Amino acid sequence: KQEVTQIPAALSVPEGENLVLNCSFTDSAIYNLQWFRQDPGKGLTSLLLIQSSQREQTSGRLNASLDKSSGRSTLYIAASQPGDSATYLCAVAIQGAQKLVFGQGTRLTINP
Amino acid sequence: DTAVSQTPKYLVTQMGNDKSIKCEQNLGHDTMYWYKQDSKKFLKIMFSYNNKELIINETVPNRFSPKSPDKAHLNLHINSLELGDSAVYFCASSQDFSGNYEQYFGPGTRLTVT
Repeated sequence: KQEVTQIPAALSVPEGENLVLNCSFTDSAIYNLQWFRQDPGKGLTSLLLIQSSQREQTSGRLNASLDKSSGRSTLYIAASQPGDSATYLCAVAIQGAQKLVFGQGTRLTINP
Repeated sequence: DTAVSQTPKYLVTQMGNDKSIKCEQNLGHDTMYWYKQDSKKFLKIMFSYNNKELIINETVPNRFSPKSPDKAHLNLHINSLELGDSAVYFCASSQDFSGNYEQYFGPGTRLTVT
């Protein structure tokens, strides 16, 4: 059974810092890994999708890496801003991507 | 235009009632999903549909019955609501379930059963 873990559960950093969020999964047989952000009371916004054959994806100040063999992904956020404050979720696609298995998220607070 | 929309946004009802949540996507996607986010914010898949056909039913009680009248719509009907059904329900869609495409989520429906 696939399990996804995100560490830390919460993180608070001053504005301008670079930071890394971690995601680990127990079964390397995944189709892709997706990072989302969730703002309080809102839905999920897709940030980055990494295919199982890829090692990393970049979008603006965000960079996500994937190491399937070790069951790990990281989300790197450069030059953090208060607007980056949200809960960040990673999810792996299994069973032909018919479903996503989610971690419990990292609640990120960027202090001005 | 909202890509994935859900109605209603909030739903408060009493135990034992029957309620429905509607979902529509205007992205032309083939695959749609229902997820449940519990009070601990843990998101879990409930159902997946591809081209109106059920492909995943994740051991959800049969009080929950999804219906897909066409591939742009996936509705969720819940019978005999229980306190434990209180959660936020998210609809999502993707181009297909090949694994090549992202899933896009709706804004969620917060269901409170009293």
